[in-house]
Amino acid sequence: QVQLVQSGAEVKKPGASVKVSCKASGYTFSRYGISWVRQAPGQGLEWVGWISGYNGKTKLAQKLEGRATVTTDTSTSTAYMELRSLTFDDTAVYYCARDPLGAWGQGTLVTVSS
Amino acid sequence: DIQMTQSPSTLSASVGDRVTITCRASQSISDWLAWYQQNPGKAPKLLIYKASTLESGVPSRFSGSGSGTAFTLTISSLQPDDFATYYCKQYNSYSWTFGQGTKVEIK
Repeated sequence: QVQLVQSGAEVKKPGASVKVSCKASGYTFSRYGISWVRQAPGQGLEWVGWISGYNGKTKLAQKLEGRATVTTDTSTSTAYMELRSLTFDDTAVYYCARDPLGAWGQGTLVTVSS
Repeated sequence: DIQMTQSPSTLSASVGDRVTITCRASQSISDWLAWYQQNPGKAPKLLIYKASTLESGVPSRFSGSGSGTAFTLTISSLQPDDFATYYCKQYNSYSWTFGQGTKVEIK
């Protein structure tokens, strides 16, 4: 069955960077894109970005352009989301999901704390 | 960017009630609209896609309708498992936008 398994929780200081991984299994990785979504504590869902599993084409939420990068390693069927210059407002659970309607990962809590 | 406006933000209802949640897009998205249910600490679960297609395994008391810019999610008879938060999501292009969410609470 389709499964997305994400890396573990992270605690970072303001100004640092974080890189979250999302390993896919149960389907042909190159046939689908991966989207990233985040959810701050007690808040709604916010789309972060998308990457094609086929050619690495990306699209990012305008507010995160310049700070976020999404990449893939097709040899391991793994997608990555890196966020730089972290602020307290970046504290959230980060999810990966198979585009457009597929399975979601279990979520990775990123905490920005001084 | 496409904006999604979802209402109400909170809804108090009783078991057996008929519940309707609405979602409006800032521009036409045809029927590229999905509905998700989320419980605390869990990833969202897909209920409906292409505005009105029920995901496999989802109870038939859930239904969706609409096209263009106006959409609704209806739960025909609210069950105890249905008290959760619901989100609409447009997936018209290689980007998603979510509604603000509707928390369905026990009255």
